[in-house]
Amino acid sequence: KQEVTQIPAALSVPEGENLVLNCSFTDSAIYNLQWFRQDPGKGLTSLLLIQSSQREQTSGRLNASLDKSSGRSTLYIAASQPGDSATYLCAVYNQGGKLIFGQGTELSVKP
Amino acid sequence: DAGVIQSPRHEVTEMGQEVTLRCKPISGHDYLFWYRQTMMRGLELLIYFNNNVPIDDSGMPEDRFSAKMPNASFSTLKIQPSEPRDSAVYFCASSLAGLGSNQPQHFGDGTRLSIL
Repeated sequence: KQEVTQIPAALSVPEGENLVLNCSFTDSAIYNLQWFRQDPGKGLTSLLLIQSSQREQTSGRLNASLDKSSGRSTLYIAASQPGDSATYLCAVYNQGGKLIFGQGTELSVKP
Repeated sequence: DAGVIQSPRHEVTEMGQEVTLRCKPISGHDYLFWYRQTMMRGLELLIYFNNNVPIDDSGMPEDRFSAKMPNASFSTLKIQPSEPRDSAVYFCASSLAGLGSNQPQHFGDGTRLSIL
């Protein structure tokens, strides 16, 4: 059974810091992995999607990496800003046809 | 682009009542997804449709839950009868392609459901 774990559960950093969010999964037979952002009272916004054949994706200040063999993904945020404050979720779509979400990392960037 | 539109935004009702949640996907998106989010269980995929046809409903918790998509621009998630443990935020999302593709899902703002 696929399990997705995100560490840390919460993170507070000063503005301008570079930071890394972690996501691990137990079953490496996946189609893809996605990182989402969720603002309070809102739905999810897709940030980056990495197909199983890819190792990383970049969008602006965000970079996501995928290491299928070790069951890990990281989301790197460069030069963090207060507007980056949100909950970040990773989700894995595995070859059993299931989409499994982690519990999320709540990020707070202090001005 | 109006995005995915869900209604109502909030619903409070007494247990035993029928609840109907509504979703309008983004025009042109062939896939529609229903999710439930709770503190205890996180975000769970309940069911998804492709071209108005249910593809996978294995996440639907029990027979009290049903979902329909009568046309490409409208879907409902119904709970009958409702129970307090159904209290959650229910999200609808749509996408150009399926879960294994490189196409992202676009989420609505959700319906916050409280069953008393």
